Amino acid sequence: DTAVSQTPKYLVTQMGNDKSIKCEQNLGHDTMYWYKQDSKKFLKIMFSYNNKELIINETVPNRFSPKSPDKAHLNLHINSLELGDSAVYFCASSHVPGTDTYEQYFGPGTRLTVT
Amino acid sequence: KQEVTQIPAALSVPEGENLVLNCSFTDSAIYNLQWFRQDPGKGLTSLLLIQSSQREQTSGRLNASLDKSSGRSTLYIAASQPGDSATYLCAVKVGNEKLTFGTGTRLTIIP
Repeated sequence: DTAVSQTPKYLVTQMGNDKSIKCEQNLGHDTMYWYKQDSKKFLKIMFSYNNKELIINETVPNRFSPKSPDKAHLNLHINSLELGDSAVYFCASSHVPGTDTYEQYFGPGTRLTVT
Repeated sequence: KQEVTQIPAALSVPEGENLVLNCSFTDSAIYNLQWFRQDPGKGLTSLLLIQSSQREQTSGRLNASLDKSSGRSTLYIAASQPGDSATYLCAVKVGNEKLTFGTGTRLTIIP
């Protein structure tokens, strides 16, 4: 019954590799997000998709490419991984169409370690 | 640019005490404000959502208030318990659906 799920939970990889993180929500929301939480625990928005369309792209390197195959899924692909990409990445979703409520629900996070 | 600040960064209180966590934001044109808790190594759990037209929301021992004009919100926790120990984050939503997060308050309840 997990509302927002992410896979994998942990990801350890070497510099220069390409990796993907998957996110799925079963809440019927039409908006999904990717956030990055750095080593100082600060959370910052990276991308937001509404009905499979990109609506927010916050100064993120081109090596990061989100993909939304449908409203329930938002995946994050990262090319040429760098040490500075090590962080916890959170997926979130919000907004049931036809309502005014934009409460965001978060996934459990993916801890990415680049060595 | 919206900036969200939470003070203090860390707080320790004895079990059973009531406590208040503070959140301030620089731009009062918010759509809503949301309080979360984050346990170590875990994701975020939504606690309370206050719409911009509301003054407060309550859930169990938690009460969140919002004063948009002064750019402040407080989270009141009554009769604190060790299980309340976590990092508490506030976040404000602006018109383009982006949540801007505060830096968090790490709360420790001492048994």
